[in-house]
Amino acid sequence: DAKTTQPTSMDCAEGRAANLPCNHSTISGNEYVYWYRQIHSQGPQYIIHGLKNNETNEMASLIITEDRKSSTLILPHATLRDTAVYYCIVRVAYQGGKLIFGQGTELSVKP
Amino acid sequence: GAVVSQHPSRVICKSGTSVKIECRSLDFQATTMFWYRQFPKQSLMLMATSNEGSKATYEQGVEKDKFLINHASLTLSTLTVTSAHPEDSSFYICSAKRDRQETQYFGPGTRLLVL
Repeated sequence: DAKTTQPTSMDCAEGRAANLPCNHSTISGNEYVYWYRQIHSQGPQYIIHGLKNNETNEMASLIITEDRKSSTLILPHATLRDTAVYYCIVRVAYQGGKLIFGQGTELSVKP
Repeated sequence: GAVVSQHPSRVICKSGTSVKIECRSLDFQATTMFWYRQFPKQSLMLMATSNEGSKATYEQGVEKDKFLINHASLTLSTLTVTSAHPEDSSFYICSAKRDRQETQYFGPGTRLLVL
């Protein structure tokens, strides 16, 4: 599975949009981009995933560049409860389901 | 979403004893479950993949005789840490997925402290 690069940490003001970038320059055509987050001392939570089209759900939006070498997770109106470590993972679908976690981005939402 | 539970949430045990951790999918059938370990300030590390009714597949470097995994039903997988030592103290997290679906749903984790 392709390797991802994320900033170690980011800050965001409460109520503002949080834009979390992820580079995956070696992504293959059949690899999806997944985002999970982990609030302190809890299990990870699925946020969203996509292949090449932009995706939106009740939690977030995922913007994937046309060349698929990078993506951005957008939390439109960040709250203090969105403070967590956000993991961007790329993997091939329908091949056993393994998720390999990198170091992620520690997002701090501040009042 | 789907709900995955773990029991116990915390456990303290003496060195040399064995500890069993349960992972349950509460509202769906999980053909595949995964076990992860997470040390403080580190990311999750996949330990093994467990398919219902078959032997678990362990990641490189994970001792299968030390971390016994059983996935006897579509809603339950267990991880037994045998002869636990202080270096096994960690946060153990399971996840589960439905057959032919990609999303993994994670349990809340079990914090193990071996004295």
